[in-house]
Amino acid sequence: QVQLVQSGAVVKKPGASMKVSCKASGYTFVSYVMHWLRQAPGQSPEWMGWINAGSGNTKYSKKFQGRITMTRDTSATTAYMELSSLRSDDTAVYFCARGTAARLYQFDYWGQGTQVAVSS
Amino acid sequence: DIVLTQSPVTLSLSPGERASLSCRASQSVNNYLAWYQQKPGQAPRLLIYDSSTRATDIPARFSGSGSGTDFTLTISRLEPEDFAVYYCQQRSDWSPTFGGGTRVEIK
Repeated sequence: QVQLVQSGAVVKKPGASMKVSCKASGYTFVSYVMHWLRQAPGQSPEWMGWINAGSGNTKYSKKFQGRITMTRDTSATTAYMELSSLRSDDTAVYFCARGTAARLYQFDYWGQGTQVAVSS
Repeated sequence: DIVLTQSPVTLSLSPGERASLSCRASQSVNNYLAWYQQKPGQAPRLLIYDSSTRATDIPARFSGSGSGTDFTLTISRLEPEDFAVYYCQQRSDWSPTFGGGTRVEIK
């Protein structure tokens, strides 16, 4: 069965960077895209970008361009999302979610979420 | 960005009742509209995609309809496990967006 397992909760100070991992199993990792989304408390999910796990190509939301980097390790079937210059409004639960070639911006399986708190 | 407006914000119903949730888009999204269910402390779960196609293992009591700018998610008979928040999401352009959500609560 498809599983996406994310790294644990983190607390960061404003201005710092954070990196979240997403370990995939149960499917052919390089045949899919991995999206990253976040959900602030009481808010709807917000799409941040995707990485093609096969080619490594990325596409980022304009909102995060310049301070987001997505990478992947195909041997470890793991995707990573790094966000820099953290602010208090980056406090949220961050999710990875799988996308397909046929329906690129549709999220059929999700990780369990990683709580990120940004506080001085 | 395409704005999705969901109504009502909260729906108070009893188990066994029918639920109808609405999602309206600021411009046409064709049929590229999905619905997700989210329970507290969990990730969203895909229920419906392309307006009306149920995702894998989703019960038949969930159905979706609509095209263009107006969409509906219907739960024919609410089960106790259906009380949750529901989001619509469009994939019409390269910047996917979600609606504000509808909370279905026990009356």
